[in-house]
Amino acid sequence: KAGVTQTPRYLIKTRGQQVTLSCSPISGHRSVSWYQQTPGQGLQFLFEYFSETQRNKGNFPGRFSGRQFSNSRSEMNVSTLELGDSALYLCASSLGLEGAGYTFGSGTRLTVV
Amino acid sequence: KQEVTQIPAALSVPEGENLVLNCSFTDSAIYNLQWFRQDPGKGLTSLLLIQSSQREQTSGRLNASLDKSSGRSTLYIAASQPGDSATYLCAVNGLKAAGNKLTFGGGTRVLVKP
Repeated sequence: KAGVTQTPRYLIKTRGQQVTLSCSPISGHRSVSWYQQTPGQGLQFLFEYFSETQRNKGNFPGRFSGRQFSNSRSEMNVSTLELGDSALYLCASSLGLEGAGYTFGSGTRLTVV
Repeated sequence: KQEVTQIPAALSVPEGENLVLNCSFTDSAIYNLQWFRQDPGKGLTSLLLIQSSQREQTSGRLNASLDKSSGRSTLYIAASQPGDSATYLCAVNGLKAAGNKLTFGGGTRVLVKP
């Protein structure tokens, strides 16, 4: 079965711009989570969507937002980009049930200049 | 607040030696613990998922144990190969968070020398 697809793979943006990242989960998975990975902070949880509703949110400013569509695909948006937003953004797909495991995508590498 | 620690941060072994990677967590109220592998610049590949009711899981040369009461998990990789060189991450799925959320350790970077 197809894995988790994240697009684009690489992005270069200028400070102050906004960016949208996309994630298509495994077919049948209703939960999509987003994580930010940086060398200094490691992997940090951004938010989780389940059946189009945000179910959990990490400790990030309001510039980071997301949504999920009826086909379970999810988008993450970052507005007013800062240099510190440069990171690998990873999307994880899950059935969303208690005890379910996660499958990650290859990530989107965002560089803010 | 759940905290996950992996020690050591880096490990170098000769080919053929067994690898032992440690993960500790502070809150034992968990659904499960998952081990991942990450190659440089890539996403995460799931290795093993251990439910809170299980003591261990095995897949090929990999074996992971879980001691929930002491807040520890260990990943064993038998007869290491250069292709095992990567960063290994453990992640805990806690009971107390709304929805599902993984808390990651900092990872152990492994180098297997030919």
